[in-house]
Amino acid sequence: GAVVSQHPSWVICKSGTSVKIECRSLDFQATTMFWYRQFPKQSLMLMATSNEGSKATYEQGVEKDKFLINHASLTLSTLTVTSAHPEDSSFYICSAIASSGKETQYFGPGTRLLVL
Amino acid sequence: AQKITQTQPGMFVQEKEAVTLDCTYDTSDPSYGLFWYKQPSSGEMIFLIYQGSYDQQNATEGRYSLNFQKARKSANLVISASQLGDSAMYFCAMREGWDSSASKIIFGSGTRLSIRP
Repeated sequence: GAVVSQHPSWVICKSGTSVKIECRSLDFQATTMFWYRQFPKQSLMLMATSNEGSKATYEQGVEKDKFLINHASLTLSTLTVTSAHPEDSSFYICSAIASSGKETQYFGPGTRLLVL
Repeated sequence: AQKITQTQPGMFVQEKEAVTLDCTYDTSDPSYGLFWYKQPSSGEMIFLIYQGSYDQQNATEGRYSLNFQKARKSANLVISASQLGDSAMYFCAMREGWDSSASKIIFGSGTRLSIRP
C-alpha cells in the first residue's frame, strides 16, 4: 500500500522555539495533504488542508501564522509550529491523497511534540 | 453539529467473539464516503474499510465488514472472531463530496476496544 512518512517521529523543544515537521509521500504523488492534531485520548482534529503550489486552507480556530504550512512539491508538505508553547504539545499526523484520486487517505505515523 | 457520532467510548469483548462498533453520521450531501480506521497505542492510523454512499453492497475486508444502513445514516463496523491484536482505538470518519482528491475527512470521537483473553 501507499506509504507516508513523517519526520521527526518525536521532538522535545523549549518554549519559544520553532519546530518543523515533514510529511512525505514515498511512492505516490500527492496534490493534497492534510494536517491533523490529536490530544491525548481525543480524536483527530483537522488543522489545515495543504495543496501543492498554493496556500493552505486552515480550519476555523487554527492560527495560520502559528502553524505555517508549505507544500513545495508533490511529495512533501511541512508544518512549522512557530514559537511553540506547552499547549502546542500534541500528536501531529499528516495524511495524503494520491493524485490519481483514490478513495482513501494514507496517514503518516505521526509526530509527538513536547514543548517544555 | 456533530457530523460523525460514536456513542461507545469503550468496549470490552471476549477473544473470538464478534463485535460491532457503532457509528452514525449526518450529511445532506448525496455523495460521501465512510471510513473506519484503527489506531493502536503506537499512534499510527491504519485504514480498515471504506464504503461509498452509492455502493450497493456492504463493504467487507477480511474480518471487517461495514453494516451500511443508508436510511438510518449508520455505518457500523463489525469485526468477526476478534483477536487480542484488535485492541485499539477505532475511528469512524466521513468525507463529503465526490471529489476524493480535495475533500477532507472528519473523524468521530472514537471507541476504545479491548479484547479479553
